[in-house]
Amino acid sequence: DIQMTQSPSSVSASVGDRVIITCRASQGISNWLAWYQQRPGKAPKLLISAASNLQPGVPSRFSGSGSGTDFTLTISGLQPEDFATYFCQQTNSFLSLTFGGGTKVEIK
Amino acid sequence: QLQLQESGPGLAKPSETLSLMCTVSGGSISSDRYYWGWIRQPPGKGLEWIATVYYSGTTYYNPSLRSRVTISLDTSKNQVSLKVRSVTAADTAVYYCARRGITSRDAFDIWGQGTVVTVSS
Repeated sequence: DIQMTQSPSSVSASVGDRVIITCRASQGISNWLAWYQQRPGKAPKLLISAASNLQPGVPSRFSGSGSGTDFTLTISGLQPEDFATYFCQQTNSFLSLTFGGGTKVEIK
Repeated sequence: QLQLQESGPGLAKPSETLSLMCTVSGGSISSDRYYWGWIRQPPGKGLEWIATVYYSGTTYYNPSLRSRVTISLDTSKNQVSLKVRSVTAADTAVYYCARRGITSRDAFDIWGQGTVVTVSS
């Protein structure tokens, strides 16, 4: 199984800050990585697929990068609606679509 | 516009079989462009992929759950079902169904709102 490790598990930030979340795969997954945002009590929302492909309607302050085993999600200019939990997921192997443990972005 | 709606019993007893349904509207589950999956989230915890099914009947399961779960399609009702056998308290979670494309670059792009399942005697 491919394991996905996210860090940090939580981060405190202020409106306007830049936040960087990292995701590491236990083996190479090319650029087959997705990022999701989940607000409390809601279903996850796909933000980015294929490591850097921003989904339609997702603000451009969100960006993704990386390939192989190391990936990042960057939020440039944090907005109040961005306080949520973020998950990565490897989409390389159909046999095991593993998620990372999540990163909670909290208000400082 | 595609919508997914999960349904389930809400409460299940230990050792029972849990049956969940996902009704898809605004699109066909018989499309060869998509997979359909189930993902769950225990209270206060992260996301766990359970299983995925293709219109042809091809299935993929989380190795840790494979022995207890079955995913299937009912094309006549445009529904995706999930059965979880021999449930325990550890199966208490919000269960989501979701759609993903057929390539490695695709992720779960449309999700249902989720159905809460509590396993308790």
